[in-house]
Amino acid sequence: AQSVTQLGSHVSVSEGALVLLRCNYSSSVPPYLFWYVQYPNQGLQLLLKYTSAATLVKGINGFEAEFKKSETSFHLTKPSAHMSDAAEYFCAVRGQGSGNTGKLIFGQGTTLQVKP
Amino acid sequence: DVKVTQSSRYLVKRTGEKVFLECVQDMDHENMFWYRQDPGLGLRLIYFSYDVKMKEKGDIPEGYSVSREKKERFSLILESASTNQTSMYLCASSLYSSGGSTDTQYFGPGTRLTVL
Repeated sequence: AQSVTQLGSHVSVSEGALVLLRCNYSSSVPPYLFWYVQYPNQGLQLLLKYTSAATLVKGINGFEAEFKKSETSFHLTKPSAHMSDAAEYFCAVRGQGSGNTGKLIFGQGTTLQVKP
Repeated sequence: DVKVTQSSRYLVKRTGEKVFLECVQDMDHENMFWYRQDPGLGLRLIYFSYDVKMKEKGDIPEGYSVSREKKERFSLILESASTNQTSMYLCASSLYSSGGSTDTQYFGPGTRLTVL
């Protein structure tokens, strides 16, 4: 079965510092991977997705993620954190055998705190 | 602009009540999903639907049912609400997927349900 593990339920960085949110996946088939962001009191919004094209994926708001098959990882980074990046971030993998239903399996989430 | 709406942002119900949560999307998407979100557990799939009148159980369907009579509307029903169903409920939709590129799920703002 496929699964997603996000390392660290809470990450705290200073404004202007590098943001690194970790995601490891388990999949017996080539995965499709996603990062979503949830701002307070809102639904989830897609940041970026990997669908077997370029391994370095650029998303919105200056975020990017690199797919590393050998490490089964899809970590999210941003060179310089802004206060507005404070949110909860979810990594997700497309479910195996999901066919055309687009079913996703989500990680537990990582809350990013940005300190002034 | 993509739009998924949910009937209520906040809802308070009593144990044993029948509860309806409504979700409407205006993107002509085939797939629709209901998740519950709890701290430390991420998003867990309750039910999904890939066509009108079609539904499949997700990971935690017990205590829930769904209805999809029209393509744009997907309802989650709690037949007899219990306190352990207090949670944030998120609805999402996506296009029929012929591969990974169209698997983006678009989320509503969520309904925070409290069962007393």
